Amino acid sequence: KQEVTQIPAALSVPEGENLVLNCSFTDSAIYNLQWFRQDPGKGLTSLLLIQSSQREQTSGRLNASLDKSSGRSTLYIAASQPGDSATYLCAVNRDAESHLFFGTGTRLTVIP
Amino acid sequence: DVKVTQSSRYLVKRTGEKVFLECVQDMDHENMFWYRQDPGLGLRLIYFSYDVKMKEKGDIPEGYSVSREKKERFSLILESASTNQTSMYLCASTTGQGGNEKLFFGSGTQLSVL
Repeated sequence: KQEVTQIPAALSVPEGENLVLNCSFTDSAIYNLQWFRQDPGKGLTSLLLIQSSQREQTSGRLNASLDKSSGRSTLYIAASQPGDSATYLCAVNRDAESHLFFGTGTRLTVIP
Repeated sequence: DVKVTQSSRYLVKRTGEKVFLECVQDMDHENMFWYRQDPGLGLRLIYFSYDVKMKEKGDIPEGYSVSREKKERFSLILESASTNQTSMYLCASTTGQGGNEKLFFGSGTQLSVL
């Protein structure tokens, strides 16, 4: 069974810093990987989706990379802002028909 | 924008009650999912549905059932609520065409069973 791990569980950085969030998965035979953001007490918002044939995706200040062979993905956030404070989760699926397996997330706090 | 609406934001129920959690999406998505989220355990899939009147068990279906009579609506039913079902419940949907579409979530229902 696929297991998705995100370390660290929590991270605090001063405003303006660039930062990297990590995600690892045990089964490299994935179909795609998604990064989500979750604000406290709210649902999840999809930020980026990387197909297994891709190595990275970018949206604004966010850049997600994927290394399938090593079972790793990173989410890079440039010039962090207090509004980036949230929990970030990654999730993978095995094929087009299967559901997502989620990590437990990294809680990010950006200090003004 | 896709909208996934969960009928209740907070819900308090007593042990043994039958509980209905409703989810409606407005983008004609084929696939709908129910997850629960618990601290330290992350999101775990309860049930999902790829079409009307179709349902599949997820990783933790025990104590739950679902209903999908219309494409836009996916209901989660707790037949006899227990305290260990206190959790945040999240509904999600996607088009499911090719498996490379983003998953859209509702705002969640925080259920407390006393």
